[in-house]
Amino acid sequence: EVQLVESGGGLIQPGGSLRLSCAASGFTVSNNYMSWVRQPPGKGLEWVSLIYSAGATYYADSVKGRFTISRDNSENTLYLQMNSLRAEDTAVYFCARDRIAALNNWYFEVWGRGTLVTVSS
Amino acid sequence: SSELTQDPAVSVALGQTVRITCQGDSLRNSYASWYQQKPGQAPILVIFGYSIRPSGIPDRFSGSSSGNTASLTITGAQAEDEADYYCNSRDSSGTHLVFGGGTKLTVL
Repeated sequence: EVQLVESGGGLIQPGGSLRLSCAASGFTVSNNYMSWVRQPPGKGLEWVSLIYSAGATYYADSVKGRFTISRDNSENTLYLQMNSLRAEDTAVYFCARDRIAALNNWYFEVWGRGTLVTVSS
Repeated sequence: SSELTQDPAVSVALGQTVRITCQGDSLRNSYASWYQQKPGQAPILVIFGYSIRPSGIPDRFSGSSSGNTASLTITGAQAEDEADYYCNSRDSSGTHLVFGGGTKLTVL
């Protein structure tokens, strides 16, 4: 069964750092495009970051320079390193497996349940 | 601000048809995908490509597109369809992904 399980969320002070993990089962992370998507409490979804199977990475402007997406092939796990955290980073963070049927046909095929990050003093 | 625009809320009578729309320049060159999210749950994919339903999604869900507008149609809405719906596509730069602000669907 294809499954994604996020972990690593919690309460962190502004300016602090946190690393989220997304453990995959049923498929190989390194052979897929993978994204992080977040959702602030009571608000909509926001795409955060993407890693291609070949390793290229992309970030939303709101997190560029502060967040880093990576993966560990031996652990079959996706990560999101979050530095210089701000109150506005408070959200549930989901990892997702992307599918690209064509360059103009991109979608999030599988989602984890998410992990809550709260940035507050 | 989002590059994809959705109506914040839509309502439909039980058993009737409802269309949820998503507007944005990127939709002229990219398909939208659609996600259903119920409170406290992760989003699930309901439509991708022009109008492709993943396995397990009822055939009352369909998609369409014209110009800069993509639509999700639910034909014969059921009580369990009450949820938030989000559209998504690549943005106009092609290197980022973007979500619409979401539409809260109420089934009356």
